[in-house]
Amino acid sequence: EVQLVESGGVFVKPGGSLRLSCAASGFSFTSAWMSWVRQAPGKGLEWVGRIKNEVEGASTEIPAPVKGRFTISRDDSKQTLYLLMDNLKIEDTGIYFCATGVGAFDNWGQGTLVTVSS
Amino acid sequence: DIRMDQSPSSLSASVGDRLTITCRASQHISIWLAWYHQRPGKAPQSLIYGASSLQSGVPSRFSGSGSGTDFTLTISSLQPEDFGTYYCQQYNIYPWTFGRGTRVEIK
Repeated sequence: EVQLVESGGVFVKPGGSLRLSCAASGFSFTSAWMSWVRQAPGKGLEWVGRIKNEVEGASTEIPAPVKGRFTISRDDSKQTLYLLMDNLKIEDTGIYFCATGVGAFDNWGQGTLVTVSS
Repeated sequence: DIRMDQSPSSLSASVGDRLTITCRASQHISIWLAWYHQRPGKAPQSLIYGASSLQSGVPSRFSGSGSGTDFTLTISSLQPEDFGTYYCQQYNIYPWTFGRGTRVEIK
């Protein structure tokens, strides 16, 4: 059974940094493309980046609203995906989900809540 | 960025009804479209990928169609567990983008 478990979401002040983790099991993590998707309170879904597998260079694609502030990485030995978020803004508040898939997101974690507030 | 316009934004229907949700892309995206279902307080679940391919384990009452810019998600016979919000998403061109969602209420 595919399992994705996010952690690391906390309350943080604007300008702060945070690292989220996503522990994966039940599938071949080393060959998977992984993404982060977020959802502001009461709002829709927003993709915030993806990382390819190591064979494909583990390259990342980060959309403009978070480019330069968000970094995605992976540790295949730990089957864990990371999202490093710097210079956090109030509008970064929301639930952050990790997901598998090459474009279409096949499996999702339950999410972790990030609150950015002064 | 490619804009994904979903309609309607919300609807109320009865168990057994046939439902159709539409999604229009602002640019041609071939068949690179997915549909998701999200219940309140839960993670989204994948329903359809490649515009019309049913995700493993998804009931056959769900179906998807379309290509290019116009797509539809159809629920042939609405069930009580189908309440929630449905999202379309394009993955043809970065940044991957979602529609704003269609909220489905059960009468």
